[in-house]
Amino acid sequence: AQSVAQPEDQVNVAEGNPLTVKCTYSVSGNPYLFWYVQYPNRGLQFLLKYITGDNLVKGSYGFEAEFNKSQTSFHLKKPSALVSDSALYFCAVGGSGNTPLVFGKGTRLSVIA
Amino acid sequence: GAVVSQHPSRVICKSGTSVKIECRSLDFQATTMFWYRQFPKQSLMLMATSNEGSKATYEQGVEKDKFLINHASLTLSTLTVTSAHPEDSSFYICSARSTGAGLSHQPQHFGDGTRLSIL
Repeated sequence: AQSVAQPEDQVNVAEGNPLTVKCTYSVSGNPYLFWYVQYPNRGLQFLLKYITGDNLVKGSYGFEAEFNKSQTSFHLKKPSALVSDSALYFCAVGGSGNTPLVFGKGTRLSVIA
Repeated sequence: GAVVSQHPSRVICKSGTSVKIECRSLDFQATTMFWYRQFPKQSLMLMATSNEGSKATYEQGVEKDKFLINHASLTLSTLTVTSAHPEDSSFYICSARSTGAGLSHQPQHFGDGTRLSIL
């Protein structure tokens, strides 16, 4: 069975500082990893994915994620946080064809001005 | 980019009413769509996988007679909450993925959700 874990319920960071939202995964076989963001009363927006290739994946809104096979991690990062980045972030694994993604519990990011 | 449209965005109705939620993929075809339920400050709970032209696959604990899913075309799936009660109040989100040859491991695209409030 595939799963992801987001160890932090809440991450607080000052505006302009770098941010990291953590995710670890457990899969048998090749991992296919995704990050999504959810703003209040909205659906999830796709940020980026790792399927294969470079370990550093660049996505939307200046976000990037680093795939680390030895640590089974896929942390989301941004060099300089914005107040508008405050939202709920979900890591997900797997999913192809008619198989749904498996989501982590989510991490709430608060960027403080 | 791939867009999923979900309507209505908000529904407030009396107990016993049936409510239909529509999910459309606007610029791609989706043989499979997914329906999720989200409680406040919690992650998404997969309710069912909707397959075009066939019966939906429900997750354990989800009543198929309560939550009727119809996937009539490659761009439309509907979720009907039958005889809704206050405990059915929640945020319902649909999702779809582009499928077909050469489209493996595509991301799921999500609608904006429907806030259902049963009085």
